Amino acid sequence: AQTVTQSQPEMSVQEAETVTLSCTYDTSESDYYLFWYKQPPSRQMILVIRQEAYKQQNATENRFSVNFQKAAKSFSLKISDSQLGDAAMYFCAYQGGSEKLVFGKGTKLTVNP
Amino acid sequence: GAVVSQHPSRVICKSGTSVKIECRSLDFQATTMFWYRQFPKQSLMLMATSNEGSKATYEQGVEKDKFLINHASLTLSTLTVTSAHPEDSSFYICSVTGREAYNSPLHFGNGTRLTVT
Repeated sequence: AQTVTQSQPEMSVQEAETVTLSCTYDTSESDYYLFWYKQPPSRQMILVIRQEAYKQQNATENRFSVNFQKAAKSFSLKISDSQLGDAAMYFCAYQGGSEKLVFGKGTKLTVNP
Repeated sequence: GAVVSQHPSRVICKSGTSVKIECRSLDFQATTMFWYRQFPKQSLMLMATSNEGSKATYEQGVEKDKFLINHASLTLSTLTVTSAHPEDSSFYICSVTGREAYNSPLHFGNGTRLTVT
């Protein structure tokens, strides 16, 4: 079974600075997707970024980028120029052939003004 | 606009009663829907996979007779918590994927906060 590990229960960052959230996963599949979701206090799941495993190029979405290391099974999220609105729970997730998402335990991000 | 509509957003019920939660796909045909449960300060845990026109597939440890799932159409899946107990109080959230399946990002409903008194 696939597993997703987020080793940082909580992280904090100063506004306008950069923070990196860690995620590792375990799988025997070669074709899969990886995601980062943001969950604010409203509990709405918001897709931040998606990475296809077959793509070597790291995905980017404005201030959000990933460092995808397939061999190491690592998928970290970098948030640049952090904003107060970035404060939330961040979940790393894996989607393989079964289509279902396997989530990590989450990282609570605090942004300090 | 919203792609997935989940209703109700909040429900309070008495112990022993049943509660139905609806998940509707608004913009596309959802062949597969997923039901997750999230306890406070925890991650989302998959409960079951709902496939249109067939029986749901439940994850290990999830009681299929307690959490009834019906996916009768390509736009609607329902989760019924039968004989609810206080320990069933949780946040339930659905997600859907379209006929494009593997290449579609999963869309989430806004979730349902269930409180059983």
